[in-house]
Amino acid sequence: EAEVAQSPRYKITEKSQAVAFWCDPISGHATLYWYRQILGQGPELLVQFQDESVVDDSQLPKDRFSAERLKGVDSTLKIQPAELGDSAMYLCASSLQGQGAQNTQYFGPGTRLTVL
Amino acid sequence: QKEVEQNSGPLSVPEGAIASLNCTYSDRVSQSFFWYRQYSGKSPELIMSIYSNGDKEDGRFTAQLNKASQYVSLLIRDSQPSDSATYLCAVNAAPTRATPLTFGTGTRLAVRP
Repeated sequence: EAEVAQSPRYKITEKSQAVAFWCDPISGHATLYWYRQILGQGPELLVQFQDESVVDDSQLPKDRFSAERLKGVDSTLKIQPAELGDSAMYLCASSLQGQGAQNTQYFGPGTRLTVL
Repeated sequence: QKEVEQNSGPLSVPEGAIASLNCTYSDRVSQSFFWYRQYSGKSPELIMSIYSNGDKEDGRFTAQLNKASQYVSLLIRDSQPSDSATYLCAVNAAPTRATPLTFGTGTRLAVRP
């Protein structure tokens, strides 16, 4: 069964350091999402890609966060510099382009970030 | 105002009982509704999706949607200890293109053996 891949699964870093997360969506899925989930809350969107283009990054803290999907397949999310408040689960999801059932989003295993 | 509301729980039910999880949403244009299960420390796993008013059944799970009342629920029959998890309700507004999901904060379910 096709799955969304993410790495690393866990990351511990000190504040002010740079971190990067990688995501490989399900093959053929044109839409890729990065969500952040703080403990006890639901996931919240950071950025959405359609193929290689950013569709929505309105909630991405652009002073420290950046995201790219250069060839429209895998994607990288970067934080520089990391802050204590960035400690969270970073989730990647993908879906087919389209409506209704084609917009069903499947999540990868996530990256648990701890900033010390 | 939170767009998707869920009771945070915990909801505690005995093994074999029916667990009823509820969710309300504020955006009337919402078109697609999803229930995800999330075990502690893991990522969300899709359980059910529903797009039309009424009931949709899949094994022990039944999703119910009432767009007039802006209400969606998930029933889990014959609850098992392995069902103990947080259940996230998510809604999607745009019917014609891919858009992000808006999640509730989740309801924690505990099934007592």
